[in-house]
Amino acid sequence: DSGVTQTPKHLITATGQRVTLRCSPRSGDLSVYWYQQSLDQGLQFLIQYYNGEERAKGNILERFSAQQFPDLHSELNLSSLELGDSALYFCASSGSQGRTGELFFGEGSRLTVL
Amino acid sequence: GNSVTQMEGPVTLSEEAFLTINCTYTATGYPSLFWYVQYPGEGLQLLLKATKADDKGSNKGFEATYRKETTSFHLEKGSVQVSDSAVYFCALRLIQGAQKLVFGQGTRLTINP
Repeated sequence: DSGVTQTPKHLITATGQRVTLRCSPRSGDLSVYWYQQSLDQGLQFLIQYYNGEERAKGNILERFSAQQFPDLHSELNLSSLELGDSALYFCASSGSQGRTGELFFGEGSRLTVL
Repeated sequence: GNSVTQMEGPVTLSEEAFLTINCTYTATGYPSLFWYVQYPGEGLQLLLKATKADDKGSNKGFEATYRKETTSFHLEKGSVQVSDSAVYFCALRLIQGAQKLVFGQGTRLTINP
């Protein structure tokens, strides 16, 4: 158990809809990262938050947004969903060890868009 | 830019065979290097890491040495088991910027009894 909790584990929805994925980081970790894992794209970095502030953006679509709340949990919002958004979405957290520290991953939220 | 290139899979071996999964990287600065493993139906978990040149990371019989001169971090295990079947990801992490992990494309390993 990594200590990172993601909900829901599975989600099936239709094109055009909007969903919210939730992540609770390990206790004490200030950084939260979101990754998308799809069969053809591998693991793609989406966005990072640190203590409530956006720290970096990766290949995140404009239809997607995220935030980190004062209690440090984070949400990833996906809107106007397309078939190609079907993927496994991982949240990870890290502490203050900088580049030498590992990222701890949740078990992922599997999104299926029909 | 910063990137990681892994040996293409899938890789299929017999139990007790020797394993090598190649990983090379391109980075500005001095990254830390990681191997993560993803077992079926699970999230990623850290297998081993190395934070500076010539460091050797090891765990569960797996080893990888940080080779700055060849920008490589190849994963090895002397005798694989069926339970090692998983997807293995090589990754780097920089001190600059977001400190995010940059992953390779992953290598699927299947071990047959």
